[in-house]
Amino acid sequence: EVQMVESGGGLVKPGGSLRLSCVASGFTFTNAWLSWVRQGPGKGLEWVGRIKSKSEGGTTDYAAPVKGRFTISRDDSKNTLYLQMNSLKTEDTAVYYCTTGRRGSRIDYWGQGILVTVSS
Amino acid sequence: DIQMTQSPSSLSASVGDRVTITCQASQDINNFLNWYQQKPGKAPKLLIYDASNLETGVPSRFSGRGSGTDFTFTISSLQPEDIATYYCQQYDILPPTFGQGTKLEIK
Repeated sequence: EVQMVESGGGLVKPGGSLRLSCVASGFTFTNAWLSWVRQGPGKGLEWVGRIKSKSEGGTTDYAAPVKGRFTISRDDSKNTLYLQMNSLKTEDTAVYYCTTGRRGSRIDYWGQGILVTVSS
Repeated sequence: DIQMTQSPSSLSASVGDRVTITCQASQDINNFLNWYQQKPGKAPKLLIYDASNLETGVPSRFSGRGSGTDFTFTISSLQPEDIATYYCQQYDILPPTFGQGTKLEIK
């Protein structure tokens, strides 16, 4: 069974930083493409970014609103995905989900989500 | 970015009704489309992948069809536990984009 468990969320002031972690199990982590998706309060779903498997270059892609502020990384030895968030804005307030899929960019599995609140 | 126009934004139906949601992409996405169900306070759950394939363990009353730019999602006989918000999502072209969601309620 695929499991993805996020941690590291909380309250942070505008301009601050936070790092989310996601520990995964139930699939071959080293082969997986991993993404972060967020959902603002009462809003729809927004893709944040992704990281490919190391065998496919380990490259990252980001949504325009977070590019240059957020960084996605992975530690395959720990089956862990990270999201480093810097220069946070109030509009980054959301539940953040780590996700993966059985093929490429497709999103099949979701973590339970973690709340990040950016407020003074 | 590819725009995913999902309709209706909300829908009220009776138990046993056939329910259909549509999703239109702003350009051809082949069949690279997922449908998700999200209940309040929970993560989205995959129901349909690659436009028409039923995810393992998902009841057969759920189905999807379409290709190119026009897609439909159908619940053949609405059950009380189907009350949720449903989203389509394309994953053909970066960035992956979602429809705005359809909130389904029981009449």
